[in-house]
Amino acid sequence: KQEVTQIPAALSVPEGENLVLNCSFTDSAIYNLQWFRQDPGKGLTSLLLIQSSQREQTSGRLNASLDKSSGRSTLYIAASQPGDSATYLCAVYSSNTGKLIFGQGTTLQVKP
Amino acid sequence: NAGVTQTPKFQVLKTGQSMTLQCAQDMNHEYMSWYRQDPGMGLRLIHYSVGAGITDQGEVPNGYNVSRSTTEDFPLRLLSAAPSQTSVYFCASSYFTGAVQGYTFGSGTRLTVV
Repeated sequence: KQEVTQIPAALSVPEGENLVLNCSFTDSAIYNLQWFRQDPGKGLTSLLLIQSSQREQTSGRLNASLDKSSGRSTLYIAASQPGDSATYLCAVYSSNTGKLIFGQGTTLQVKP
Repeated sequence: NAGVTQTPKFQVLKTGQSMTLQCAQDMNHEYMSWYRQDPGMGLRLIHYSVGAGITDQGEVPNGYNVSRSTTEDFPLRLLSAAPSQTSVYFCASSYFTGAVQGYTFGSGTRLTVV
């Protein structure tokens, strides 16, 4: 059974700091991995999608990496801003089950 | 704007009542799914559909029914609401490009069962 874990559950950093969010998964048979952002009381916004054959994807100040063999992904946020404060969720699309499985998220607070 | 539309945004039900959460997408996506989000539990898959007329169960299907008569719509039915179904419900749709999928989520329905 695919399990997705995100560490830490919460993170507070000062503005301007570079930071890394971690995601690990137990079954390497995945089609892709996707990082989402969720603001309080809102839906999910897709940030980055990494195919299983890719190592990383970049969008602006965000960089996501994927190491399928070790079951790990990281989301790197450069020069963090207060507007980056949100919950970040990773999800893997499992080849075996055809389902998208989510981690529990990391809640980020960036202090001015 | 193209996307996934969920209605209603908020709903309060009494135990034992039934209701349907609506989900519609205008992106011609084949794949649609329903999730519930509970504190400390993340998002859990309830039901999903890979196309019109085809549905399957996710991780937590009990107490919910779905049908997919058109590509655009994927309603979720609560047959007899229970307090344990108090949650935020999200509908998502996605496309297939080979084996790649990108998911678009609706803004959610916040359901309280009293």
